[in-house]
Amino acid sequence: DGGITQSPKYLFRKEGQNVTLSCEQNLNHDAMYWYRQDPGQGLRLIYYSQIVNDFQKGDIAEGYSVSREKKESFPLTVTSAQKNPTAFYLCASSKTSGNVNEQFFGPGTRLTVL
Amino acid sequence: KNEVEQSPQNLTAQEGEFITINCSYSVGISALHWLQQHPGGGIVSLFMLSSGKKKHGRLIATINIQEKHSSLHITASHPRDSAVYICAATGNQFYFGTGTSLTVIP
Repeated sequence: DGGITQSPKYLFRKEGQNVTLSCEQNLNHDAMYWYRQDPGQGLRLIYYSQIVNDFQKGDIAEGYSVSREKKESFPLTVTSAQKNPTAFYLCASSKTSGNVNEQFFGPGTRLTVL
Repeated sequence: KNEVEQSPQNLTAQEGEFITINCSYSVGISALHWLQQHPGGGIVSLFMLSSGKKKHGRLIATINIQEKHSSLHITASHPRDSAVYICAATGNQFYFGTGTSLTVIP
């Protein structure tokens, strides 16, 4: 079945540690996105990638890094520089970066910093 | 001010009731999306529309481009409809509303 997978579903991290969230898609989509969701707020864009080996900062990129070495994979690293990393992280993909294309979402990773 | 505003924020309904969730946007858009997020967190796309009306089962979505307004209707609501419903507008990027939390009581 085609879709987007994120792992792990729950992640706990000690303050000061970097952690990498996985996102894989087998939909052959060009564009991939990382969002952060906090209670009472809409999804906020962290990073997006329109094509392999290229990515752009979103609205809240500080304290995060990404890579796009393969079309299928877009991992997100939450670094120790991110001041409030505890949140729900959603990965999404779309066929192209065109603005009328539907985004497909992964199941999300809930990160808790202890 | 958010580019996309939803109302109400929270909604509780009795099973069988007709439900309406509203979405207003302030940016130029190419399409308007309605998303459903279940308690586990995963998001499913319900509708993508740029004009008129779409229907899928008990769900109906409408959009008025001139008024920059969209509504999501649920007919004969059921407890399994309990979820957060998110409106998203696509212009040169995706703009998300904060969501409407719906609880349908048996």
